[in-house]
Amino acid sequence: EDKVVQSPLSLVVHEGDTVTLNCSYEVTNFRSLLWYKQEKKAPTFLFMLTSSGIEKKSGRLSSILDKKELFSILNITATQTGDSAVYLCAVRLDDYKLSFGAGTTVTVRA
Amino acid sequence: DGGITQSPKYLFRKEGQNVTLSCEQNLNHDAMYWYRQDPGQGLRLIYYSQIVNDFQKGDIAEGYSVSREKKESFPLTVTSAQKNPTAFYLCASSSRLDYGYTFGSGTRLTVV
Repeated sequence: EDKVVQSPLSLVVHEGDTVTLNCSYEVTNFRSLLWYKQEKKAPTFLFMLTSSGIEKKSGRLSSILDKKELFSILNITATQTGDSAVYLCAVRLDDYKLSFGAGTTVTVRA
Repeated sequence: DGGITQSPKYLFRKEGQNVTLSCEQNLNHDAMYWYRQDPGQGLRLIYYSQIVNDFQKGDIAEGYSVSREKKESFPLTVTSAQKNPTAFYLCASSSRLDYGYTFGSGTRLTVV
């Protein structure tokens, strides 16, 4: 059975803190790993990772994949209240299907 | 603007009634998907469709049905056979999965 496990399930930080979210996976057929941000309703795409060790960055967010140890991390530096959301990790299994983790709820306090 | 529209945003139904959730996209995407989201469980795949007039069961298809008569539309029916239908339902579409899915804003279904 394919598994995508995210940790922690939730965390609370103060503005300016740095956050590290983890995603580990055990799947039969790995194509790529994706991160999404879900604030209220529709998840929005953040990153897609296919190669180990290559960091992807977008502003204060960055992510990296380790295909040997089967995990990815998502970092958020200098957090702001607007970063409060559920962060979803998903693994692409084939041309169409994604398997999602349970998500990490991040709350940033002013 | 291109996107995915789900309707309604909120839906209340009595137990034992079938209900249909709408999902329309104007992105010209071939594939469409229905996911269910429950607290602490992430997104679970109900059904997906790669082309018109074809669809496949996902991990939790029991108690649900779909149709794909048009490329733009992929409605989901929650039947009375679904034991725990109260949940948040997300529709998504993709053309090439390399760029991930585009999601709708979701429908929150409450069965009382």
